Amino acid sequence: DTGVSQDPRHKITKRGQNVTFRCDPISEHNRLYWYRQTLGQGPEFLTYFQNEAQLEKSRLLSDRFSAERPKGSFSTLEIQRTEQGDSAMYLCASSLVRAGGIYNEQFFGPGTRLTVL
Amino acid sequence: AQTVTQSQPEMSVQEAETVTLSCTYDTSENNYYLFWYKQPPSRQMILVIRQEAYKQQNATENRFSVNFQKAAKSFSLKISDSQLGDTAMYFCAFMPYQGGSEKLVFGKGMKLTVNP
Repeated sequence: DTGVSQDPRHKITKRGQNVTFRCDPISEHNRLYWYRQTLGQGPEFLTYFQNEAQLEKSRLLSDRFSAERPKGSFSTLEIQRTEQGDSAMYLCASSLVRAGGIYNEQFFGPGTRLTVL
Repeated sequence: AQTVTQSQPEMSVQEAETVTLSCTYDTSENNYYLFWYKQPPSRQMILVIRQEAYKQQNATENRFSVNFQKAAKSFSLKISDSQLGDTAMYFCAFMPYQGGSEKLVFGKGMKLTVNP
C-alpha cells in the first residue's frame, strides 16, 4: 500500500492558463476529499466524492474549478484561467466510510503546490 | 459554522522537554471529534491523536496526550519528551459526529521547532 499520491508535486503556471492535478487515493477507499492550504493557513475543504458522486462543494470552489472522479478511483481537479490568488497547496485525502457512523480516518497525500505567476 | 482557533503561531522547545499546544473551537454541535494533525516540512499530514467529544477521558497516544475541556471548548496537545522529529506544523481540527461529509475544519496551525 503506497498511500495517497498526488501528481504533480509542484506546478508553476502563468496567469490565465489551465492546470489539472491528479490524486490517487488508497485502494478501496470510497471517499475522496480535496482541500486547499494557503500560506499561513490551515487546509480548507473544497469538495468531496463518495465513489464517483461529487456530494458537496464549498463556496470556495468557484466556477473556474471543476473536480471529477470517474469510476470512483482517481480524481482530477482542474482550475481554468488561473489567477494569482489560486496559488496554494492542494491537498487530497481519502477514507473508507462504512455504514454505522463510525469515525473514518482521512489519509492525506503530499499535496500539489501551485504557483501562479 | 464551526471555527477552530490556534492563537500561538510558533513555539520552540528543547529536546526531551514537554510542550503544550493550545486550541479552542466554537460549535453548536454536541457530538463531534477533535484532532491534532502533524505536517512535517515537505511531507504529508498525518494524524497524531483523536478525541471523541462524548468521552470524558482524555486521549493518549504514547508521548502525545490531550486536555479536552468540553465546556470551555478547549483542546490542547501535550508532547512529552520532545524529539527532533516532532519539528513540524501542528493543526487542530474539528469534525461533526453526525456523519455526512465528515469534512475537517482546521485551525491556522502552529509551527513547533524542537532544538537539540
